[in-house]
Amino acid sequence: AQKITQTQPGMFVQEKEAVTLDCTYDTSDPSYGLFWYKQPSSGEMIFLIYQGSYDQQNATEGRYSLNFQKARKSANLVISASQLGDSAMYFCAMREFAGANSKLTFGKGITLSVRP
Amino acid sequence: DAGITQSPRYKITETGRQVTLMCHQTWSHSYMFWYRQDLGHGLRLIYYSAAADITDKGEVPDGYVVSRSKTENFPLTLESATRSQTSVYFCASSLFRTVKETQYFGPGTRLLVL
Repeated sequence: AQKITQTQPGMFVQEKEAVTLDCTYDTSDPSYGLFWYKQPSSGEMIFLIYQGSYDQQNATEGRYSLNFQKARKSANLVISASQLGDSAMYFCAMREFAGANSKLTFGKGITLSVRP
Repeated sequence: DAGITQSPRYKITETGRQVTLMCHQTWSHSYMFWYRQDLGHGLRLIYYSAAADITDKGEVPDGYVVSRSKTENFPLTLESATRSQTSVYFCASSLFRTVKETQYFGPGTRLLVL
């Protein structure tokens, strides 16, 4: 079974509107971390936001927030006030505490296009 | 602050040739990783290293070899390149093995095997 699932097709949003990118995960480890990365067309991977499984509040970083629903095993990224520069591929990733190697498991990504 | 660099950024090679992709980080991070990115697969871990002289296989290690004689360097070698190894390769590093430790990525190497 996939550990990280990102099933949305290419997403489109109007500039200045909010958009939610979905991510569901699967783990039996009670301690884990969830990450979102952005990959613009230039190719680099940019860390956006982190949510820990024991964190009481949803993570926020500027225009990025994470809608963390632990019981549903979802960690959706919300981008508020979209900008043209937000057009990119977005990856959800997870690290489990029990993992002996600190590795991240990535989803397949979602393409976001912001329309002017 | 150079961070994490990869070289070359682009490489074209032929089937059967040996290719080495270099990764260098200036943060003295303990952990280093090699991923490959292919359309429809996201990023998949090839190899990782917890410290100098400590390496281990990831999800897709076949056809690759790594070494880590110094903390700051983590080269990835394709011993006999195949067309299926055409991909974008990312090196990453992190300081600790904790759940919340962010991995920082290099700019990537685009490899084409003809």
